[in-house]
Amino acid sequence: EPEVTQTPSHQVTQMGQEVILRCVPISNHLYFYWYRQILGQKVEFLVSFYNNEISEKSEIFDDQFSVERPDGSNFTLKIRSTKLEDSAMYFCASTLRPSTDTQYFGPGTRLTVL
Amino acid sequence: AQSVTQPDIHITVSEGASLELRCNYSYGATPYLFWYVQSPGQGLQLLLKYFSGDTLVQGIKGFEAEFKRSQSSFNLRKPSVHWSDAAEYFCAVGPSYNTDKLIFGTGTRLQVFP
Repeated sequence: EPEVTQTPSHQVTQMGQEVILRCVPISNHLYFYWYRQILGQKVEFLVSFYNNEISEKSEIFDDQFSVERPDGSNFTLKIRSTKLEDSAMYFCASTLRPSTDTQYFGPGTRLTVL
Repeated sequence: AQSVTQPDIHITVSEGASLELRCNYSYGATPYLFWYVQSPGQGLQLLLKYFSGDTLVQGIKGFEAEFKRSQSSFNLRKPSVHWSDAAEYFCAVGPSYNTDKLIFGTGTRLQVFP
């Protein structure tokens, strides 16, 4: 069964450094998402992406964040200058049609900012 | 605003016992409802979903959920719990006419004793 993959599984970085989290969505999917889960808290929506542009973003997704689909398979989340409060599990998700299909989630990347 | 409430933070059951995890939602229209499960160190796996039609939906691993519009609830049930069901369970609502995002509850951690 096709699945969403994410790399790395765990990333440790120093405050102020840039990180790039990578995702490979399911190959025929068209809509892509990033969510995050701070330890002990609920999963929160960050951004949705369709047709090579952001379709929606949350208040969390400020100028420090960006997303990109650099090629036909990868979908990346970049945090320009990490803060301690960016430490969280970041999940990528994808779907073929959001109105009728499920969002499939990847295993997540745990980001630790020191 | 859309929201999801999972009143039980932590539930402990004995193996073989029945299980019901509660989920209440606030939503302006007919919701799409989901239950996801997260095992330790793993991503979010879809257990089941409700889009329309029969209000009792069957999912994987022997789980079922019932949509009750009058109570704004979508409770997850399993008649006999297995030790491998120990995990975190998240109820989610969405997408709607103006957003693709899923809104998650805070989760219920299920512990299973032999």
